[in-house]
Formats: sequence, C-alpha cells, structure tokens
Amino acid sequence: QKEVEQDPGPLSVPEGAIVSLNCTYSNSAFQYFMWYRQYSRKGPELLMYTYSSGNKEDGRFTAQVDKSSKYISLFIRDSQPSDSATYLCAMMGGSEKLVFGKGTKLTVNP
Amino acid sequence: EAQVTQNPRYLITVTGKKLTVTCSQNMNHEYMSWYRQDPGLGLRQIYYSMNVEVTDKGDVPEGYKVSRKEKRNFPLILESPSPNQTSLYFCASSSLETAIRTQYFGPGTRLLVL
Repeated sequence: QKEVEQDPGPLSVPEGAIVSLNCTYSNSAFQYFMWYRQYSRKGPELLMYTYSSGNKEDGRFTAQVDKSSKYISLFIRDSQPSDSATYLCAMMGGSEKLVFGKGTKLTVNP
Repeated sequence: EAQVTQNPRYLITVTGKKLTVTCSQNMNHEYMSWYRQDPGLGLRQIYYSMNVEVTDKGDVPEGYKVSRKEKRNFPLILESPSPNQTSLYFCASSSLETAIRTQYFGPGTRLLVL
C-alpha cells in the first residue's frame, strides 16, 4: 500500500462550484498535513497546513484532517478560474521527510 | 523579494556530459532540498541539507550529487547524466523553525537527456 494516495483526476467544475480534493494515507505517524498548489510551469506553493486532526479555514479554502480514517480533504468554495491548478497533498511525521501525493489536476470553467 | 532561484530553467544535454543545476535562496533558510517531478510518480526527494556542510540522501539519490558550502546555495550535480534523469527538477528551502512543512519552491528546471 502506498504511503499517500491521491486521485490524479482530472477534475473539471463550473465556476462557483464547491470543490473537494482528497488524500488517504497509511502511515499513522503522520502529524502535519499540507496542501500545495502548483500552476502549470511553476513550482508548488504552500496553501495551508494543519497539525493533527481538525479543520482549518483560510478564506475560500478549508483543510480537514480525519486521523481516525487516515483521510484529508481540501475544500474550495466559490471556485474561480484562477483556482485551476494541480493540488498536491503532503504529509510528515516523526522524521524530517515530506511525502507528497501525486497531485489532482483541477480546471474551473468560466 | 523572498525567492528561490534555479538556473538554468531549461536544459538539453547528452548522455554522460556532466552538468550542474544551481539553486539559491535569499531567505537565510537552513533547510534546502532537491526534488524531481515525473508524470505518474509525483514529487520525489533527491537530496536535502539541514545546514552548511550537512547533506543527506532522499528517496532517489542515485546518479546525483550535492554540496552545501554556503547557506544560500545548494547545487545539484549530475556527473554522468542518463536519459532516465530526464525530468522536472525543483529546489526548495525552509527555515528549521517551521521545519520542512512550509517549503518555498523554485520555478523548476526542465532537463532533457538525449
């Protein structure tokens, strides 16, 4: 079983839709959970990170972690064409090692 | 402006011809890292450095070398490139205070080895 699984998509939604992006993981030692956004031909940029379980909100973005299910989500409300990008989940635990999902490609259509 | 820079951005080379991809950051970060990104495989760590003169292997170090002689620079060296090293390479940095969970990535170097 892979440490981090992420559906690559692609995911296509109309502008204004609520987007749900998800990752599952197998390593119960993971404590920090990150979401990176990567525009085409650019490096990833950190969107949000959460520690342990719970929710974190930042504007239109909400990150959710359910450690009991080993499942994390990123919700984007009122999605915009500028949100079109690849979204990467990433996690780390006891070691200083970041494990990335393969990314989900999102397109928001005007 | 806080940034991570990489050079060159695009490179075409031939098998066996040594090359170096430079990486520099202006944020006084202790931690620096190199990743490669391949379709279907995602981002994989090649090498990382916790500080000057301290480097360690990531998940896919074979065929690569690094050095960290100055805090701001972390070059990636391919002594004898092979076609399977054709990839998109990213350098990243972060402060040890925030650990590697808040990494700043460079713009990427697209390498083609013929």
